[in-house]
Amino acid sequence: AQSVTQLGSHVSVSEGALVLLRCNYSSSVPPYLFWYVQYPNQGLQLLLKYTTGATLVKGINGFEAEFKKSETSFHLTKPSAHMSDAAEYFCAVTISGGYNKLIFGAGTRLAVHP
Amino acid sequence: EAGVAQSPRYKIIEKRQSVAFWCNPISGHATLYWYQQILGQGPKLLIQFQNNGVVDDSQLPKDRFSAERLKGVDSTLKIQPAKLEDSAVYLCASSDRDTFEETQYFGPGTRLLVL
Repeated sequence: AQSVTQLGSHVSVSEGALVLLRCNYSSSVPPYLFWYVQYPNQGLQLLLKYTTGATLVKGINGFEAEFKKSETSFHLTKPSAHMSDAAEYFCAVTISGGYNKLIFGAGTRLAVHP
Repeated sequence: EAGVAQSPRYKIIEKRQSVAFWCNPISGHATLYWYQQILGQGPKLLIQFQNNGVVDDSQLPKDRFSAERLKGVDSTLKIQPAKLEDSAVYLCASSDRDTFEETQYFGPGTRLLVL
């Protein structure tokens, strides 16, 4: 069965610092990987996704993630944090050959301080 | 393009009462999903519709939860009777197709508190 582990339920960075949110997945078949962001009292918004092709995926708001099959990871990064990046971030996986069923991690809350 | 609409945004009820949530997906989206997001956890799929047929309801507590999608457009999720552990945010999402790489678009959610 597929599963997602997000290391660190809370991450705090200074404005301008590197953002690194960790995601590891478990899947017996090639996965499709997603990062969603959730701002307070709002629904989830897609940041980026990996399906096939280039393993470095660029998303909105300056975020990117790299699919590393050997490490079963899909970490999310941003070179310079902005105050507006403060939100909760969810990594999710689905699998090929099946219908579109997302399995979410528990989420990482990102705080950005001045 | 209008997004996924949900109502109400907030609901407070007492245990054993019933409650219903409504969702209107993005126009033309054939697939509709209901998720439950308990505080501190990621969303968990409750039920998935393809047009007006159920694709997956394996994690729906069918003794108390029900959902329908009449005419393949908007959908209603009902809880009867509610329990304390049903306190959560209920998210509705839709996608254009049922394929695995398709992006799901989420509504703002309904926050339910059961007292």
